[in-house]
Amino acid sequence: AQKITQTQPGMFVQEKEAVTLDCTYDTSDQSYGLFWYKQPSSGEMIFLIYQGSYDEQNATEGRYSLNFQKARKSANLVISASQLGDSAMYFCAMRDNDDMRFGAGTRLTVKP
Amino acid sequence: EAGVAQSPRYKIIEKRQSVAFWCNPISGHATLYWYQQILGQGPKLLIQFQNNGVVDDSQLPKDRFSAERLKGVDSTLKIQPAKLEDSAVYLCASSLEWMVGRGDMTDTQYFGPGTRLTVL
Repeated sequence: AQKITQTQPGMFVQEKEAVTLDCTYDTSDQSYGLFWYKQPSSGEMIFLIYQGSYDEQNATEGRYSLNFQKARKSANLVISASQLGDSAMYFCAMRDNDDMRFGAGTRLTVKP
Repeated sequence: EAGVAQSPRYKIIEKRQSVAFWCNPISGHATLYWYQQILGQGPKLLIQFQNNGVVDDSQLPKDRFSAERLKGVDSTLKIQPAKLEDSAVYLCASSLEWMVGRGDMTDTQYFGPGTRLTVL
């Protein structure tokens, strides 16, 4: 079974609007971490936001927030007020006791 | 604070040749990772070091890939001999530390710019 699933290969959003990128995960561990990374066309992976499995509040970092629903095993990334520079690949990742796994990614395109 | 450094940025080789990549992690980071990212896919973990010891190399093709982190700081990844399917971006990342059963923010991984390998 896939440990990390990103079901949206591509997403479009109008500049200044909000967008949600989906991520579901699978683990039997009680303690794990969830991460989102951005990969622009330059290729570098940029850390955006972290959510711990024991964190009761959803993580926020500036325009990024993580909608963490533990019972549903989902960790969706919400980007508010999209900017043209947000156009990139976005990867969800999970670290459990076994290893770190990445999803297949979602390509976000922000339209002017 | 300096980020993760990698070199070279690009490498083109013929199949069956050997190649080596170098990575210098963020100062003070105990954990170092090598990933392979094939075009259109997410990164795949090849090997994880904690200081100079190997934590996980279950997905490293050991017949042709090797990696070392002798002094617990910088690391090299080698491919010998290379195959066409090794064409990919090789990413190095580091984190403060990783402890089993914790899954906390100290394992936030910071990535270098990557090495794009083309095998002809």
